[in-house]
Amino acid sequence: DAKTTQPPSMDCAEGRAANLPCNHSTISGNEYVYWYRQIHSQGPQYIIHGLKNNETNEMASLIITEDRKSSTLILPHATLRDTAVYYCIVRTSTDSWGKLQFGAGTQVVVTP
Amino acid sequence: EAGVTQFPSHSVIEKGQTVTLRCDPISGHDNLYWYRRVMGKEIKFLLHFVKESKQDESGMPNNRFLAERTGGTYSTLKVQPAELEDSGVYFCASSQGWVTSTDTQYFGPGTRLTVL
Repeated sequence: DAKTTQPPSMDCAEGRAANLPCNHSTISGNEYVYWYRQIHSQGPQYIIHGLKNNETNEMASLIITEDRKSSTLILPHATLRDTAVYYCIVRTSTDSWGKLQFGAGTQVVVTP
Repeated sequence: EAGVTQFPSHSVIEKGQTVTLRCDPISGHDNLYWYRRVMGKEIKFLLHFVKESKQDESGMPNNRFLAERTGGTYSTLKVQPAELEDSGVYFCASSQGWVTSTDTQYFGPGTRLTVL
């Protein structure tokens, strides 16, 4: 599975959009981009995933560049409850439906 | 719909003792996964069940760890004997199937294990 690179931390003001970048320059054509987050003392929580096209759900939007080498998770209106570690993970669609490979993630702190 | 549940939420044991962690996946989910985070490290995969069969146990650290999923429902992870380095948070996750749209993994709250 391709490796990902994320900034270690970022701050965001409550009510503003949070844009979380992720680089995955070695991603291959059959690999999906997944985002999870872990709020303190809870289990990881699924946010969104995509392959090529931009995706949106009730939690966030995922923007994937045309060359698929990077992506951005957008939390449109950050709240204090969005303070968490956010993980960008790439997964192949062939023989690795199993494990998720977590990196260090980005610690996002939403401030009032 | 009930989520993934784990029991106990916390466990404190002494080195050399045995501990058994339990995970109840979301009803109908064939896939069950165990992960753990030890202090200061990243979340690491331990193993993956498909129904009652072990699909991938490449992340199991050593033979002191034994995972079972009898009947393809709940799973247990036994650590025997426990060592200090086994301390951490053990997460269980489940997913429905093998197609991307249904393979989102849903995590439980974790069991915090402390070995003294």
